Amino acid sequence: RKEVEQDPGPFNVPEGATVAFNCTYSNSASQSFFWYRQDCRKEPKLLMSVYSSGNEDGRFTAQLNRASQYISLLIRDSKLSDSATYLCVVNIHTAGGTSYGKLTFGQGTILTVHP
Amino acid sequence: GAGVSQSPSNKVTEKGKDVELRCDPISGHTALYWYRQSLGQGLEFLIYFQGNSAPDKSGLPSDRFSAERTGGSVSTLTIQRTQQEDSAVYLCASSSYSSGEQFFGPGTRLTVL
Repeated sequence: RKEVEQDPGPFNVPEGATVAFNCTYSNSASQSFFWYRQDCRKEPKLLMSVYSSGNEDGRFTAQLNRASQYISLLIRDSKLSDSATYLCVVNIHTAGGTSYGKLTFGQGTILTVHP
Repeated sequence: GAGVSQSPSNKVTEKGKDVELRCDPISGHTALYWYRQSLGQGLEFLIYFQGNSAPDKSGLPSDRFSAERTGGSVSTLTIQRTQQEDSAVYLCASSSYSSGEQFFGPGTRLTVL
């Protein structure tokens, strides 16, 4: 089983739509959670961190369910510029400490927003 | 300020040759990471440097891969006796502390013929 799993999509949605991505992680020692965005042939960039209480940044809402080891990202009022691959990312902190900071990436979910 | 830079941006090499990929992290960032991304795949962790601690090499796929970080700044990833399956984009990232946001460089696209 992969450490971080995402639905690869692709998701094709019209402008203005609401779309949700889900992600599950297998290691309960996971400490920090993020959504990164990667445009075609570009490097990943941090979209937002995910906090236990859930957090919102404009049109983007992230949720974390530690009991179910599940993370979600909701995008409201989709824009053409939201088209990208969305990467679910987990920081797994091992007892030895040497892996602290190592990020584990999901395969990514491809989103295409069309006019 | 300057972001993470990597060189070369593209590298084409023949099977069996050695290659060196360079990463210049953001000034002052103590943590540095190498990942690789194969076509259509997610990012695969390779190695992680944090300050003066021993690096976490748990992601290196074989002993043909090695990395150094000199003076706590610039890092070099070396792949010896390259194979076609080494073809990928090699991404470097740095962060100001081990659990902080990681800033990625533009990557080096390696093609092994």
